[in-house]
Amino acid sequence: DQQVKQNSPSLSVQEGRISILNCDYTNSMFDYFLWYKKYPAEGPTFLISISSIKDKNEDGRFTVFLNKSAKHLSLHIVPSQPGDSAVYFCAADGSSNTGKLIFGQGTTLQVKP
Amino acid sequence: NAGVTQTPKFRVLKTGQSMTLLCAQDMNHEYMYWYRQDPGMGLRLIHYSVGEGTTAKGEVPDGYNVSRLKKQNFLLGLESAAPSQTSVYFCASSYARTGELFFGEGSRLTVL
Repeated sequence: DQQVKQNSPSLSVQEGRISILNCDYTNSMFDYFLWYKKYPAEGPTFLISISSIKDKNEDGRFTVFLNKSAKHLSLHIVPSQPGDSAVYFCAADGSSNTGKLIFGQGTTLQVKP
Repeated sequence: NAGVTQTPKFRVLKTGQSMTLLCAQDMNHEYMYWYRQDPGMGLRLIHYSVGEGTTAKGEVPDGYNVSRLKKQNFLLGLESAAPSQTSVYFCASSYARTGELFFGEGSRLTVL
């Protein structure tokens, strides 16, 4: 059973608009969440993270929101740029202090010029 | 600065053949990981290591073995390849127990 789910396989937005990528998890023991970005033929690269003691973390155009009661997190990209077109994975730290991450299936974002 | 390097990048095997994927990192990271990526499945952890000489099973360890004889290297072995092991394999390393993983570019393996 998938503990981290990204239910939208793809998302298409216009350049300059907001992109919202969603992620749900089932295990309330998860205490650290991360977003990774992946371009074709490259490895994933770290984008932004959030600890369960926070409900928001911001880094430039990227903001991650965490709703622990709903077991839901989202990544907001504002404004979206064509270079943001990639696959985005959310991940949860599945076992405290081991760095073992559990990844969602990924959402392919396309930002149209 | 090479970061995490995986070799080979591509490989085609026949069922039953064996092979080893090599991962090397030059960041002096303690933690190293092997993941596989399959369509619609995200990345799944195969094995990981929390330091030189240590290894542990991840989510999908069956059919794979690993070794961490040197801190900078993490080897993933397939003793008898099966078509179900056709996948893209990613190695990653990290300094801290939680946080940012640095990934290699991936190794695409096809088992016929």
